[in-house]
Amino acid sequence: ETGVTQSPTHLIKTRGQQVTLRCSSQSGHNTVSWYQQALGQGPQFIFQYYREEENGRGNFPPRFSGLQFPNYSSELNVNALELDDSALYLCASRGTGGGYTFGSGTRLTVV
Amino acid sequence: SQQGEEDPQALSIQEGENATMNCSYKTSINNLQWYRQNSGRGLVHLILIRSNEREKHSGRLRVTLDTSKKSSSLLITASRAADTASYFCATDDPSGTYKYIFGTGTRLKVLA
Repeated sequence: ETGVTQSPTHLIKTRGQQVTLRCSSQSGHNTVSWYQQALGQGPQFIFQYYREEENGRGNFPPRFSGLQFPNYSSELNVNALELDDSALYLCASRGTGGGYTFGSGTRLTVV
Repeated sequence: SQQGEEDPQALSIQEGENATMNCSYKTSINNLQWYRQNSGRGLVHLILIRSNEREKHSGRLRVTLDTSKKSSSLLITASRAADTASYFCATDDPSGTYKYIFGTGTRLKVLA
């Protein structure tokens, strides 16, 4: 369906643990954004990276961090997991002048 | 917080009927997009309408935009069971951070 791949598809972690979610974008997609979608809600913007630097951030605490790599892959890291971090995490990427393509998401459950 | 609100929150119709969903937003925009989401999975881009456009069509989809009322509508004609999904509107952030601000979504169910 899309050229953006996210892994893993599902993940269960314990409160207080750390998690890394991964996204592989299409070649040439220099911009990647991460969104958090709680059950029954719309996606909320976490942050955006352009050419490996963060250039936009939503209302999320510093324990949410990210990385973007030259090979068009990226990571979302969340430290000190809380129960409210349980959500679907979506990665979206785009090239210059194009629209965003979303991945299928990672469903994170914190217990 | 969410910029947009979709109305209705849930909609159930028979196959072949038309489905209309509305979106309201709060601030000025450059463009507005509609997305579909099946069963809590990834978002599929449906259509983008720019602030200087009033109406746009794509297949069975018709989108209107009224910037004076800060509202948009998505019409799906001749609906099919496969159209069952959640539909979200998303607006660009006027401060220029390139993020998209999503509404709360309309859950559409098309009955065969």
